[in-house]
Amino acid sequence: DTAVSQTPKYLVTQMGNDKSIKCEQNLGHDTMYWYKQDSKKFLKIMFSYNNKELIINETVPNRFSPKSPDKAHLNLHINSLELGDSAVYFCASSQTSGSYAYEQYFGPGTRLTVT
Amino acid sequence: QKEVEQNSGPLSVPEGAIASLNCTYSDRGSQSFFWYRQYSGKSPELIMFIYSNGDKEDGRFTAQLNKASQYVSLLIRDSQPSDSATYLCAVNVGDSSYKLIFGSGTRLLVRP
Repeated sequence: DTAVSQTPKYLVTQMGNDKSIKCEQNLGHDTMYWYKQDSKKFLKIMFSYNNKELIINETVPNRFSPKSPDKAHLNLHINSLELGDSAVYFCASSQTSGSYAYEQYFGPGTRLTVT
Repeated sequence: QKEVEQNSGPLSVPEGAIASLNCTYSDRGSQSFFWYRQYSGKSPELIMFIYSNGDKEDGRFTAQLNKASQYVSLLIRDSQPSDSATYLCAVNVGDSSYKLIFGSGTRLLVRP
């Protein structure tokens, strides 16, 4: 009965490769997010989708491309991976009412290591 | 640049004591304030949220908000060793309830 799930949990890959991370939520929420937590533990928003529409697109290299096939799923594809992409990537979701988003719930994270 | 600041700690308290965690934010337009707990190697877990000035209590946790001073705090009563974790303060960017800015977190250590 996991609320927000991510796959894979760990991802080790070489520079230059392309990889994807998948996220699914069964909370019935309509907004999903991608966050990056670096080695200094700063947690930063990258993207957000509301009902499959991109609503937050932070200053992130265009090697990162999110896709939301439906309200319950949000994927993150990363092209040409670089050493600096090594981090933990968290997916989160929240419910909205009108233009207001309520509290966000986080998935377990995907630890990406680029060698 | 919107900022959320927390003392990195560690804040060390004995078991049974009250732990007080503080957070200041720069955006006067912020309306939503959240406290998350993050154990090492785990994901952030929502502990409390508060939208109005004053106190909000939930079990051993009390969130306090003072918008005039741009200050939000979390009190943990009867601290337990299992409360040892990093506590993240998150604040929405004034005109967007979707976008949260997180502080760097305060590490809490509860000594048995």
